[in-house]
Amino acid sequence: GENVEQHPSTLSVQEGDSAVIKCTYSDSASNYFPWYKQELGKRPQLIIDIRSNVGEKKDQRIAVTLNKTAKHFSLHITETQPEDSAVYFCAASRGNQGGKLIFGQGTELSVKP
Amino acid sequence: DVKVTQSSRYLVKRTGEKVFLECVQDMDHENMFWYRQDPGLGLRLIYFSYDVKMKEKGDIPEGYSVSREKKERFSLILESASTNQTSMYLCASSLGTANRGYTFGSGTRLTVV
Repeated sequence: GENVEQHPSTLSVQEGDSAVIKCTYSDSASNYFPWYKQELGKRPQLIIDIRSNVGEKKDQRIAVTLNKTAKHFSLHITETQPEDSAVYFCAASRGNQGGKLIFGQGTELSVKP
Repeated sequence: DVKVTQSSRYLVKRTGEKVFLECVQDMDHENMFWYRQDPGLGLRLIYFSYDVKMKEKGDIPEGYSVSREKKERFSLILESASTNQTSMYLCASSLGTANRGYTFGSGTRLTVV
């Protein structure tokens, strides 16, 4: 069945460094790729998303890139800050099944001051 | 400005009990979802609904059922709780049939003893 693989499972960086989280998906019909941030004890929140007709999208310190041919997409966080510490989930839409998302396993990002 | 509300933050139930988890959204979203979140496994879809009284099985529906009698409310039912259903349960909603990001509830941490 469809799946999304996310790596790494844990990531530790120094404040100010960049962090990159990578995901691959299997469903070639997927056309929507959101990223969620879940702080400890809180609900996942959408931080950025990209659609298949776009290769890159930026929002301040975060950016997402998409390579449809290779079926992978990545989250890039620059100038990391301690408040970026959280679990990050990537997701991919389930082809033409409007509204359903498949999630990756999550990456626990720790930013050390 | 809470938009997706889950009725309980923590629940402890006994094996064999029938358990109801309630979710209410005030955004007039058509789609509602129940996921369970387990470490290392990400978020896995249990059931979803794209309209009142409509429901479809997700990836792990065994041992669960759902009810959507009103547009704003989506209930997850554990017919006979078992210890392997101990988990964090997340409700989410989204708008329309086009792929869009979810709004999540705060989650219910269920422990079955």
